Amino acid sequence: LAKTTQPISMDSYEGQEVNITCSHNNIATNDYITWYQQFPSQGPRFIIQGYKTKVTNEVASLFIPADRKSSTLSLPRVSLSDTAVYYCLVGGPEGSGNTPLVFGKGTRLSVIA
Amino acid sequence: EAGVAQSPRYKIIEKRQSVAFWCNPISGHATLYWYQQILGQGPKLLIQFQNNGVVDDSQLPKDRFSAERLKGVDSTLKIQPAKLEDSAVYLCASSFYEQYFGPGTRLTVT
Repeated sequence: LAKTTQPISMDSYEGQEVNITCSHNNIATNDYITWYQQFPSQGPRFIIQGYKTKVTNEVASLFIPADRKSSTLSLPRVSLSDTAVYYCLVGGPEGSGNTPLVFGKGTRLSVIA
Repeated sequence: EAGVAQSPRYKIIEKRQSVAFWCNPISGHATLYWYQQILGQGPKLLIQFQNNGVVDDSQLPKDRFSAERLKGVDSTLKIQPAKLEDSAVYLCASSFYEQYFGPGTRLTVT
């Protein structure tokens, strides 16, 4: 299973763009990159999934360079409610029945007013 | 759309006792997962079902943990006997594509 490395924690002020980078040097050809968000006392929530280049949805953008050995989750104009733990996972894709996704320790994002 | 339901939300037991958790997935989701999340760590997959068949249970401590998914819908996870290190939040998730998680059951073993 591909291993991921993320910063343990990050701080940001409200209104700023936050970029969380994840390293996955041994990502397999069939692996996708998926990000989840987890608030205290709740289960994780799917944010975004991608395979290469750039994916954007109403919540975030995911940037994946050509070598796919890393990826960056970009959260535009964060608010206090974005304070959470963000997990980067490789495998899947979700729903494929392929390589199960493995959660690491995640990045604890603290948004400051 | 109703989410993943889990019960109970909290449970306190003494070591060596038994405990069972229940999960009702989102309707139509064939895949169901049970995770264990210890404080400060990411969720750890215990078992994955596809309908009522087991896809992956490689990290399930089978000497004390068991899980079943009858009729490919609801699922139960049982621990017998419980140990102190089993204190954690037990999360159930279901998926068609991305995973949807339930609120979890917080287990405290004393």
